[in-house]
Amino acid sequence: DIQMTQSPPSLSASLGETVSIECRASEDIYSNLAWYQQKSGKSPQLLIYYASSLQDGVPSRFSGSGSGTQYSLKISGMQPEDEGVYYCLQGSKYLTFGSGTKLEIK
Amino acid sequence: QVQLKESGPGLVQPSQTLSLTCTVAGFSLTSYNVHWVRQPPGKGLEWMGVIWNTGGTRYNSALKSRLSISKDTSKSQVFLKMNSLQTEDTATYYCARDYYSSYIGYWGQGVMVTVSS
Repeated sequence: DIQMTQSPPSLSASLGETVSIECRASEDIYSNLAWYQQKSGKSPQLLIYYASSLQDGVPSRFSGSGSGTQYSLKISGMQPEDEGVYYCLQGSKYLTFGSGTKLEIK
Repeated sequence: QVQLKESGPGLVQPSQTLSLTCTVAGFSLTSYNVHWVRQPPGKGLEWMGVIWNTGGTRYNSALKSRLSISKDTSKSQVFLKMNSLQTEDTATYYCARDYYSSYIGYWGQGVMVTVSS
């Protein structure tokens, strides 16, 4: 099974700050990676798929990059509504989620 | 409009079998794959398994000995059965539809299941 290592576990950012979250796969996942945001008590929402494709309706301050085994999600200009837990998901060989990153406003 | 909704008992006794139903609308189970994902309270997401549009299944290796996923396409329903439940199986269980085959794009609201005597 493919393992996903996500970092950091938690992050605190000021309004307007740029933040990055990383995911590393245990083997090459060929850009088959998605990012999700989950707010408290809600189902996860898809932000990015195929490593860098922005889902319809997602603000352009969210961006994804990476290849091979290393991927990242960047939020360019933290907003209050960006608080939540972020997960990566590999879809190359069945599915595996990262462990999550809790993002809070400083 | 794609919709998924989970239903099932909120409380299950240890060692018993969990049965959940996912009722879908806005798409056909013969065209899309449906996944089950669970989330223990305060913890992360765990992929449990998938039933493909063809009817084939694949399970998380950690759960495969206890888990079964099936469907009734005529009723637009997907079923999850997991036996030998323990307290660590307490979680919110989600059904979800795939997106571009490799991801999850649509989620149900989730159903909280507590394993307790």
